[in-house]
Amino acid sequence: TQLLEQSPQFLSIQEGENLTVYCNSSSVFSSLQWYRQEPGEGPVLLVTVVTGGEVKKLKRLTFQFGDARKDSSLHITAAQPGDTGLYLCAFRGGSNYKLTFGKGTLLTVNP
Amino acid sequence: NAGVTQTPKFQVLKTGQSMTLQCAQDMNHEYMSWYRQDPGMGLRLIHYSVGAGITDQGEVPNGYNVSRSTTEDFPLRLLSAAPSQTSVYFCASSSPWEPAGYGYTFGSGTRLTVV
Repeated sequence: TQLLEQSPQFLSIQEGENLTVYCNSSSVFSSLQWYRQEPGEGPVLLVTVVTGGEVKKLKRLTFQFGDARKDSSLHITAAQPGDTGLYLCAFRGGSNYKLTFGKGTLLTVNP
Repeated sequence: NAGVTQTPKFQVLKTGQSMTLQCAQDMNHEYMSWYRQDPGMGLRLIHYSVGAGITDQGEVPNGYNVSRSTTEDFPLRLLSAAPSQTSVYFCASSSPWEPAGYGYTFGSGTRLTVV
């Protein structure tokens, strides 16, 4: 059973377009993290959302945590080729600190 | 720069050979872990450690061994390589004493091919 379902799996858009990717679960989480992974590199943390309904902005990236803390979304405004990468959501276990990932959304932004 | 260092970056092994993937961090993080990343499967946890001398299994531990003799180092050993272990391996570290928002720092990976 996949605890975190990410959609879409692949997304190819033109520079300047807006997009939203999703991270869904039937479980309730105390927090969710979003990472971006560029080709040939390891994932890099973008943001952590903690409170239900929380919205966090990172330049052109807007992250939202669902009211019930079961889902999260990432919206990118005016995408640029530099946004290309694999976007991963993850949750961290409480007592053992294990980090569990969704399978990710592979975003390609074409110039 | 401070961070997680993985060596080697690339490796080709023959079936049945053994090898050790090295991971070192200089951030004094207690928590370290190993993941493998395969197409369509995402990042899966192999083994993890919450401190020197303490290790535990993750989701896909079979065929791998770990030890944690120091805070800085967390090597991953392949006992007898199999083609199914062809993958990209990532080491990550974190501090368990930080709040939940504290992220994990990942190395740049080791791309392993078993022929």
